[in-house]
Amino acid sequence: AQSVTQPDIHITVSEGASLELRCNYSYGATPYLFWYVQSPGQGLQLLLKYFSGDTLVQGIKGFEAEFKRSQSSFNLRKPSVHWSDAAEYFCAVNTDSGAGSYQLTFGKGTKLSVIP
Amino acid sequence: ETGVTQTPRHLVMGMTNKKSLKCEQHLGHNAMYWYKQSAKKPLELMFVYSLEERVENNSVPSRFSPECPNSSHLFLHLHTLQPEDSALYLCASSPGLAGGYTDTQYFGPGTRLTVL
Repeated sequence: AQSVTQPDIHITVSEGASLELRCNYSYGATPYLFWYVQSPGQGLQLLLKYFSGDTLVQGIKGFEAEFKRSQSSFNLRKPSVHWSDAAEYFCAVNTDSGAGSYQLTFGKGTKLSVIP
Repeated sequence: ETGVTQTPRHLVMGMTNKKSLKCEQHLGHNAMYWYKQSAKKPLELMFVYSLEERVENNSVPSRFSPECPNSSHLFLHLHTLQPEDSALYLCASSPGLAGGYTDTQYFGPGTRLTVL
């Protein structure tokens, strides 16, 4: 079955420190991968996506993610975290719904806290 | 207005009430979606509409009734809900026909629903 695993439920980092959020997926075909961010009480905002080509993709707000097929991973990184990055981050993969179409399968999310 | 908007942002209703959630997208997209986000659970896809036609209904109870009068508007009609239906309901839209492998979804801010 298709699935997305975000192994870290909650991460705390200091402002200015580097960040890496982990995402592993289980999907037989070539994945189409996304990272979304959700601030408290808000909807999901698209950070970046990977479909094909360069395995290192750049997104908004200084985020980047690297697709590693051998590890079935799509980890999100940022070199220097800002207090405004505190939010919940969701990894998702477009998967075959079995009815001839695709739908997003989300991980359970990683909540990021930033301390001064 | 730009992007995807949802009204109301907050809703409190009794179990015998009837209410409706509204979603509007200003992006010229062809597909619209309803998701349910409960605490400690992954986002759950409820309904998908492509060019105003429902293409997915993921085993959602009949007390939730969607309506898509045109490609810019999506409603979720609620009646005789249960307390466990309390959640954040998110609307999304995507440019392609729903279920496309490379389709990207854009989310609204959500409606926080509380059922008493």
